[in-house]
Amino acid sequence: GAVVSQHPSRVICKSGTSVKIECRSLDFQATTMFWYRQFPKQSLMLMATSNEGSKATYEQGVEKDKFLINHASLTLSTLTVTSAHPEDSSFYICSARGLVANEQFFGPGTRLTVL
Amino acid sequence: GENVEQHPSTLSVQEGDSAVIKCTYSDSASNYFPWYKQELGKRPQLIIDIRSNVGEKKDQRIAVTLNKTAKHFSLHITETQPEDSAVYFCAASPSGYALNFGKGTSLLVTP
Repeated sequence: GAVVSQHPSRVICKSGTSVKIECRSLDFQATTMFWYRQFPKQSLMLMATSNEGSKATYEQGVEKDKFLINHASLTLSTLTVTSAHPEDSSFYICSARGLVANEQFFGPGTRLTVL
Repeated sequence: GENVEQHPSTLSVQEGDSAVIKCTYSDSASNYFPWYKQELGKRPQLIIDIRSNVGEKKDQRIAVTLNKTAKHFSLHITETQPEDSAVYFCAASPSGYALNFGKGTSLLVTP
């Protein structure tokens, strides 16, 4: 149990375009999902906390108008990188909080490359 | 907010030896301390976790210890194998909040 999927796994886009990444909890309902970004050889940095039915909470330094998060159902959260630039190229990973307090299950990640 | 420090950043051991990775945290409200193993290009995989009401937990070759007073916790891997080579992250979290990750330890186990 506790499977989290992410789509797409890899995306290459041109500078200025928008990219949507989906995160799904496949076998459990997740009221809270988290979005992380990971640059090469670095740790996971929390970008935002996504709560079903309410606005996401963004970490300091993360532009909410650039990284749009929607958590419309208990199994789906989406991250849209708007007007992407090469510096947005990174590994984006979502996680969903399970039934046991604090325990988080990670998606497989999305490798974004902006040309 | 929570600040998690992790040491060492790199660790090289010979197969069969033990490996120890240490983390400290700053927020006394943190009560959940997981350890993740991440292979290149893949998602972090939970390998063991400990909650603040427990001082030690063991799962086969892996153990974690927690010292709440000193605010530090450690990962111990015994009888290391080449397939243990990966990046290991510690994390800390107050109840209901997101995980705060350490910077990671790149473990290399040489045959």
